Amino acid sequence: QKEVEQDPGPLSVPEGAIVSLNCTYSNSAFQYFMWYRQYSRKGPELLMYTYSSGNKEDGRFTAQVDKSSKYISLFIRDSQPSDSATYLCAMSGPSGTYKYIFGTGTRLKVLA
Amino acid sequence: DGGITQSPKYLFRKEGQNVTLSCEQNLNHDAMYWYRQDPGQGLRLIYYSQIVNDFQKGDIAEGYSVSREKKESFPLTVTSAQKNPTAFYLCASSIKGRSHYDGGYTFGSGTRLTVV
Repeated sequence: QKEVEQDPGPLSVPEGAIVSLNCTYSNSAFQYFMWYRQYSRKGPELLMYTYSSGNKEDGRFTAQVDKSSKYISLFIRDSQPSDSATYLCAMSGPSGTYKYIFGTGTRLKVLA
Repeated sequence: DGGITQSPKYLFRKEGQNVTLSCEQNLNHDAMYWYRQDPGQGLRLIYYSQIVNDFQKGDIAEGYSVSREKKESFPLTVTSAQKNPTAFYLCASSIKGRSHYDGGYTFGSGTRLTVV
């Protein structure tokens, strides 16, 4: 079993839809949770990060962590064609660990 | 503008040949990383360095080598011992690389290596 599981998609939604992207993980020591967005043939860019459980909102994006279920989500409201990309979750911890564990990424396509 | 520059964008390697991928950053970050990205496998860590003149193997270091002679530079050599080198290679950096979260990674734009 992989430490981090992420559905590869592709996920196709119409413009304006609410998108839900998810990852599950097995290591209860993870404390920091990140979402990266990667456009085709580009490097990933950090979108959001969350510490421990709870929600974090930034514009149209909301990151949610449920440590009891070992489940994290990224919600995109009012999705736009420019949101079409691959979204990777990443996690790290415990304290003193440098290493991020990445999900395989979910490919999202927002149709105009 | 601060960032990470990877070159070349595309690279072709013949069988039995060593090739070197360049990675330069001007973010004044201490830590630098090399990842390999393959379809369906996500990002896998090859090597990382937390300080000049020091580096450690990641999960898939076999067939690769690195150096860290300058803070700004972390080149990756793909040797002929790497039997399946065709992949997308990503270089990243972070501020310190010693705590569990130090602002996240900044990635370069990647180098696509193909064996011909």
